[in-house]
Amino acid sequence: DAKTTQPTSMDCAEGRAANLPCNHSTISGNEYVYWYRQIHSQGPQYIIHGLKNNETNEMASLIITEDRKSSTLILPHATLRDTAVYYCIVRPLTTDSWGKLQFGAGTQVVVTP
Amino acid sequence: ETGVTQTPRHLVMGMTNKKSLKCEQHLGHNAMYWYKQSAKKPLELMFVYSLEERVENNSVPSRFSPECPNSSHLFLHLHTLQPEDSALYLCASSQDSRINEKLFFGSGTQLSVL
Repeated sequence: DAKTTQPTSMDCAEGRAANLPCNHSTISGNEYVYWYRQIHSQGPQYIIHGLKNNETNEMASLIITEDRKSSTLILPHATLRDTAVYYCIVRPLTTDSWGKLQFGAGTQVVVTP
Repeated sequence: ETGVTQTPRHLVMGMTNKKSLKCEQHLGHNAMYWYKQSAKKPLELMFVYSLEERVENNSVPSRFSPECPNSSHLFLHLHTLQPEDSALYLCASSQDSRINEKLFFGSGTQLSVL
């Protein structure tokens, strides 16, 4: 599976947009980009995923570059409850995959008042 | 509330004890997983069950023994653990383990082995 590179940490002001970058320069054509987050003392939580097109849901937006070598997760209006570790994962969706999400170190996002 | 419930939340056990971790999902999913999260290390996939059949065992030592009696329940039986097995053990479920990577995680069991 392709590996991802994320900044170790970033701060964001409450109410502002948080833009979380992820590099996945070795991504293959059949690999999706997934984002999860893990709030302290909880299990990871699915946020969003995409293949080529930009995606938006009630939690966030995912912007994937045209060459698919990088992506950005956007939290439009960060709140204190968005403080968490955010994981960017690339994963092929094939019938022989068995939930092997390769979680890296992620980005520790701290939202400040 | 994710629909995946793990008990207990915290567990302290000696190296000679036998204990079990329990996971229950109320989402109607047909795949369940055990992950291990050690301090300052990425999550590691341990076991995958699909329709109550184990389909993945990531070279986990035999002192960890999973059990999936039905699609809603998953257990992890522990015996003769080592202090290095202390970690957060997370259960997750999904609709179809082959093609759907939208996993729903429980809050985990924080295990300490003394």
